[in-house]
Amino acid sequence: AQKVTQAQTEISVVEKEDVTLDCVYETRDTTYYLFWYKQPPSGELVFLIRRNSFDEQNEISGRYSWNFQKSTSSFNFTITASQVVDSAVYFCALSEAYAGNMLTFGGGTRLMVKP
Amino acid sequence: DTAVSQTPKYLVTQMGNDKSIKCEQNLGHDTMYWYKQDSKKFLKIMFSYNNKELIINETVPNRFSPKSPDKAHLNLHINSLELGDSAVYFCASSQGQGTYEQYFGPGTRLTVT
Repeated sequence: AQKVTQAQTEISVVEKEDVTLDCVYETRDTTYYLFWYKQPPSGELVFLIRRNSFDEQNEISGRYSWNFQKSTSSFNFTITASQVVDSAVYFCALSEAYAGNMLTFGGGTRLMVKP
Repeated sequence: DTAVSQTPKYLVTQMGNDKSIKCEQNLGHDTMYWYKQDSKKFLKIMFSYNNKELIINETVPNRFSPKSPDKAHLNLHINSLELGDSAVYFCASSQGQGTYEQYFGPGTRLTVT
């Protein structure tokens, strides 16, 4: 069973629109960590955020914000006032202690921001 | 300075050959990883190497073998290459195991013909 689900495979928006990328996870651990990574067209993987299971506080970093809700096992990512440079594939990932703390990635969401 | 580097960036080879991909990190991290990204962009862990402990993903064929000469290096050797091995391979490192963020190398695109 897939442990991290990113149901949106592709999203297309026009510049300056807000966009939310969904991430739903499943785990039997009480202690776990959630991550978001960005993969721009150049191919590298860029770390964006890490969240532990005991910290449900939402986080904002510039135009980026994350909403962590344990009740729905979701860790969604919102980009406000999107820009063309935000075009990339975004990956949500889960790390579980019982699985050796290795990252399990979701399938990724390709975001296309058009001018 | 590049934090996590991989060589080569591109590797084209024929079926049946043996090849290696090198990875080095200068972040002082003690845990390194190899991931495979297939043509559909799906990323999957292959190995985790923490100090002298190797954690192998059970779905990885034994043709793949990581070798770590020291904490800063984790090389990937692949024997008897198959067409299905074509993918982008990413090396990553973290301070401690997966509870910490992992920093990725630029990737090595392997094409098996």
